[in-house]
Amino acid sequence: DSGVTQTPKHLITATGQRVTLRCSPRSGDLSVYWYQQSLDQGLQFLIQYYNGEERAKGNILERFSAQQFPDLHSELNLSSLELGDSALYFCASSAGTAKSYEQYFGPGTRLTVT
Amino acid sequence: AQSVTQLDSQVPVFEEAPVELRCNYSSSVSVYLFWYVQYPNQGLQLLLKYLSGSTLVKGINGFEAEFNKSQTSFHLRKPSVHISDTAEYFCAVSTSSGGSYIPTFGRGTSLIVHP
Repeated sequence: DSGVTQTPKHLITATGQRVTLRCSPRSGDLSVYWYQQSLDQGLQFLIQYYNGEERAKGNILERFSAQQFPDLHSELNLSSLELGDSALYFCASSAGTAKSYEQYFGPGTRLTVT
Repeated sequence: AQSVTQLDSQVPVFEEAPVELRCNYSSSVSVYLFWYVQYPNQGLQLLLKYLSGSTLVKGINGFEAEFNKSQTSFHLRKPSVHISDTAEYFCAVSTSSGGSYIPTFGRGTSLIVHP
C-alpha cells in the first residue's frame, strides 16, 4: 500500500459528460501528479500541483483541469468526454522537495466512456 | 527534452531463469533513473532508483540495475525470476527542469514468467 488513495476505482459514463476524480496523497506529501495510462499512448504526465499551486503541466487537454485543495487532496476534472478519454488515471505524490525524486502511485481510476 | 526507450515490449522467461529488461534514455543533462513495476490492476511501485554514486543499484524483490553513462542505458536484471515477478516494468528518467522532477516513462516491458 503506497498510502495514496484514489476514488472512485471505476467510472463508466457517456460521451459529453463531466467527471471528477479524487486523490489523497501520502501523509506529509505536498506534491500531487496526475497521469493518464492508455494502451496507445502509454503513461502520460498530465499536471503537477505543489502545496496548492500548479507546478508543471504536461499533455493535458483544455477539457481537463485539476486543483489541489488546502488539505492537499487533489481533483482532476474531465469534461466533454470523448471515447478516446477512456483510460486509467493515476495520481502520484511525493514530498515535493528537491530531494524527493521518487513518486508514490495510487491504485488508479479506470474511466470508461461509452 | 528527455526520452526513454524500452527495447522489448514483452519478455517471456521460464521460472528460475535470469532476466534482463533493457532501457535506454536520451538527455542533454544529468539524469535520475528509475524502474517501476505495475502488477495487474494496481498502480506503479518503485523498484529501484539511481540518483548518483555507485552505478550498480539494488532494489526490492532481488532486482538490480546498472547505470551506464557512455551507453545511456539503465538495464534491469534479476538472476532468478519467480512466477510472482510477472508484471509490467517501466523505466523512467527525470531531470531538474525548473525545479520540478517530472519523470518521462518508457512504454513498458511485460515480463511473463512461465512455470
